[in-house]
Amino acid sequence: QSVLTQPPSASGTPGQRVTISCSGSSSNIGNNYVYWYHQLPGTAPKLLIYRNNQRPSGVPDRFSGSKSGTSASLAISGLRSEDEGHYYCATWDGNLSGPLFGGGTKLTVL
Amino acid sequence: QITLKESGPTLVKPTQTLTLTCTFSGFSLTTTGVGVGWIRQPPGKALEWLALIYWNDDKRYSPSLKSRLTITKDTSKNQVVLTMTNMDPVDTATSYCALWRFDAFYIWGQGTVVTVSS
Repeated sequence: QSVLTQPPSASGTPGQRVTISCSGSSSNIGNNYVYWYHQLPGTAPKLLIYRNNQRPSGVPDRFSGSKSGTSASLAISGLRSEDEGHYYCATWDGNLSGPLFGGGTKLTVL
Repeated sequence: QITLKESGPTLVKPTQTLTLTCTFSGFSLTTTGVGVGWIRQPPGKALEWLALIYWNDDKRYSPSLKSRLTITKDTSKNQVVLTMTNMDPVDTATSYCALWRFDAFYIWGQGTVVTVSS
């Protein structure tokens, strides 16, 4: 069980807005940037959000990230079928002295 | 264009040592702030960070696996090598190498599947 807690699943219908939470502590999220990755089945994770709320080139503005205290959230608006897959939050952990991943959230578009 | 590609055996026996190689292009592992890391993912499970090597040869390991891991780099070949000793069936996973820039893994390789079985 990861130190970064994510809901195991989330769902929504096309066009809806969904949010995925990531809860940590002062040793990780509380004092470091949060990153979000999207992983489709059988493929490598792809960076979706960096430094809490920044989008890499090519990522639609339907995706947004936020952080408050020791928690972070990923919001997806205008949900589309291609948004399905697993979403992982990640951050640096001072106790680990290394990067830490959340347990992942499987998003289903109904 | 930045690319990373993992290579290594697809099958290893219990107690053997696994050696994985990450061959990359489009960046230099001598650039300040740059690193290459390894992450694994058992079937149907979450991502787990294994090791990270920086441009200055600083190395970090997951505490839970530190005794079994060694990460090295060869900047002339643009390669990073990870060895994991005493493999066990629970180590069966897809392993990824990824580009680390300052504070996160920005670009990932396609991954390589390693099965541990006798």
